[in-house]
Amino acid sequence: AQTVTQSQPEMSVQEAETVTLSCTYDTSESDYYLFWYKQPPSRQMILVIRQEAYKQQNATENRFSVNFQKAAKSFSLKISDSQLGDAAMYFCAYKGMEYGNKLVFGAGTILRVKS
Amino acid sequence: EPEVTQTPSHQVTQMGQEVILRCVPISNHLYFYWYRQILGQKVEFLVSFYNNEISEKSEIFDDQFSVERPDGSNFTLKIRSTKLEDSAMYFCASSDAVAGTDTQYFGPGTRLTVL
Repeated sequence: AQTVTQSQPEMSVQEAETVTLSCTYDTSESDYYLFWYKQPPSRQMILVIRQEAYKQQNATENRFSVNFQKAAKSFSLKISDSQLGDAAMYFCAYKGMEYGNKLVFGAGTILRVKS
Repeated sequence: EPEVTQTPSHQVTQMGQEVILRCVPISNHLYFYWYRQILGQKVEFLVSFYNNEISEKSEIFDDQFSVERPDGSNFTLKIRSTKLEDSAMYFCASSDAVAGTDTQYFGPGTRLTVL
């Protein structure tokens, strides 16, 4: 079964600085999708960024970018120029291609942004 | 921008009562999902639904749970006899599998409190 591990329960960053959130996963599949979701205090799940495993190029969405290392099964999220509104729980999630459409989530990382 | 909606935002019920959580997926999406998040824990997959039938379900999704698409827009999750441990945030999500877009978009969630 696929598993997703987020080893940082909590991270802090100073406003305007850069922070990287870690995620590793375990799978036997060669093709899959990876996602980062943001969950603010309202608890809504908001898609931040996604990466297709077959793409070597790292995904980027404005201040958010990923470092996807397929061989190492690593998928970290970098937030540049951190803003107070970035404070939230961040979940890494995996979706395989062979065993259904479900998302498998990591335990999450709480990101605190200091002003 | 199209979005997934859920009602109610908060449901309080007595143990043993039936509850129905409602979702309106994005209109052109074909895959529908329910996830739950017990407070402080990771998001867990419950069930996926496609072409008017369950395509996959987790071990959590036992006989007390059921899903239905009663009309062309709504997607419901019914819990027949609620237990204290059913207290959680329940998220509905949808995706457009036909277009090959495997991103699942989440609704704002329904907080279920079982007393």
